[in-house]
Amino acid sequence: AQTVTQSQPEMSVQEAETVTLSCTYDTSESNYYLFWYKQPPSRQMILVIRQEAYKQQNATENRFSVNFQKAAKSFSLKISDSQLGDTAMYFCAFMKPRGYQKVTFGIGTKLQVIP
Amino acid sequence: DAGVIQSPRHEVTEMGQEVTLRCKPISGHDYLFWYRQTMMRGLELLIYFNNNVPIDDSGMPEDRFSAKMPNASFSTLKIQPSEPRDSAVYFCASSFSPGTQYFGPGTRLLVL
Repeated sequence: AQTVTQSQPEMSVQEAETVTLSCTYDTSESNYYLFWYKQPPSRQMILVIRQEAYKQQNATENRFSVNFQKAAKSFSLKISDSQLGDTAMYFCAFMKPRGYQKVTFGIGTKLQVIP
Repeated sequence: DAGVIQSPRHEVTEMGQEVTLRCKPISGHDYLFWYRQTMMRGLELLIYFNNNVPIDDSGMPEDRFSAKMPNASFSTLKIQPSEPRDSAVYFCASSFSPGTQYFGPGTRLLVL
């Protein structure tokens, strides 16, 4: 079974600074998807970024980028130029590419952006 | 695109009552998921459908919970009878296989 570990329950960052959220996972699969979801106080789950394991290039979406280390089974999220609207819970998630569609979520990291 | 639509957004009910949560997935998506989120247990997958057929309901807590998907554009999650421990936020999500799941805004359920 797959597991996703987020070892930082809470983090804070000054506005405009950069912060990195950590995620590790365990799987015997060679191909899979990894995701970061954001859940602001509104409770809406919002996709931040997605990485396919067979792609070596790290995914980026504007101020959000990942550092995907397949051998180390690590998938960290970097937020540059942090904004107050980035305050949220961030969930790392894993999914096998086909067939069974169950997504395994980590327990989340609460990020507070300080003005 | 309207995204995944859920109703109601908030539901307050008394123990023993029947609760029905509704979901409209994104048009064209062939997978639909029901999740429950609590502080204690985090985000749990309850059940998911593929092309309206239930594929895995192993996350459904007990027989009080049931889910249906009569067509590609509508699904319900029913709790009968409801109990205080069912209080949670319930999310519906949909995806186009194999792919990213897009979540609805959630239904916040409080059972008194």
